[in-house]
Amino acid sequence: DAGVIQSPRHEVTEMGQEVTLRCKPISGHDYLFWYRQTMMRGLELLIYFNNNVPIDDSGMPEDRFSAKMPNASFSTLKIQPSEPRDSAVYFCASSLALGGQPQHFGDGTRLSIL
Amino acid sequence: QKEVEQDPGPLSVPEGAIVSLNCTYSNSAFQYFMWYRQYSRKGPELLMYTYSSGNKEDGRFTAQVDKSSKYISLFIRDSQPSDSATYLCATFTSGFQKLVFGTGTRLLVSP
Repeated sequence: DAGVIQSPRHEVTEMGQEVTLRCKPISGHDYLFWYRQTMMRGLELLIYFNNNVPIDDSGMPEDRFSAKMPNASFSTLKIQPSEPRDSAVYFCASSLALGGQPQHFGDGTRLSIL
Repeated sequence: QKEVEQDPGPLSVPEGAIVSLNCTYSNSAFQYFMWYRQYSRKGPELLMYTYSSGNKEDGRFTAQVDKSSKYISLFIRDSQPSDSATYLCATFTSGFQKLVFGTGTRLLVSP
C-alpha cells in the first residue's frame, strides 16, 4: 500500500519567495496533519484537518503560513513570503482517527531558505 | 518548560546491549503514550502505544509508564545496528487536541 506521499523532497529557495509543499494522504484516512521539525524545537504540529476541514491551526506560526485541503487526496502548505527561519523539515501525516490510531508520516520536505 | 522532555543523546551502545530511553512530561492530564522511531531522512513510524501505567512488551521492545512520577521509558533488548535511529516519545490527553512530541533521542548501535 502506498504511504503518505510528499513533494518535493528538497526545496532550496531565496528569502521572499513563495514555497508550496504538497501532500497526498493514505486513501481512506480522515485526518491529515502538517508538522514542522527542527533540532531546537523538535516536531511541532502546525495544523490538522478532518474530512478536508481545518480543525486546529493554532500551531501555524504566522500569517505567512497557510494550508488547504481541496479534496480528500491532496493538501498544500504554503509559505509566502518565506524567511530563513522557516528552514526545517516539514512532515505531513494522516490517520484513520484521532487518539489511539497511529499517525502515518511521509518522508518530509527538507526546506532551506537562503 | 517543554511539555515533554527527552535527552537528545546521542546514546552509543555496542550490539547486544540493553538500551533504556526515557522521557518526562509535565501535564498530568496526559493519558496516552507512544514511541515513534525515525530513521535518518525518513518520517517517524509508530513503534509502541500504551495507555496505562505498567509495562507493555512487543518482541525486543518494552514500553514502561509511571504516571505517578510522569516518567516513560522504552527498553530495547539485544540491540541491533538496525535499531540505530532517533526515538521520539509522544503523548496526548484524553480529550485529544494534539500529539505532543519530545525532541527525540538519537541511538547509535555499533556492530
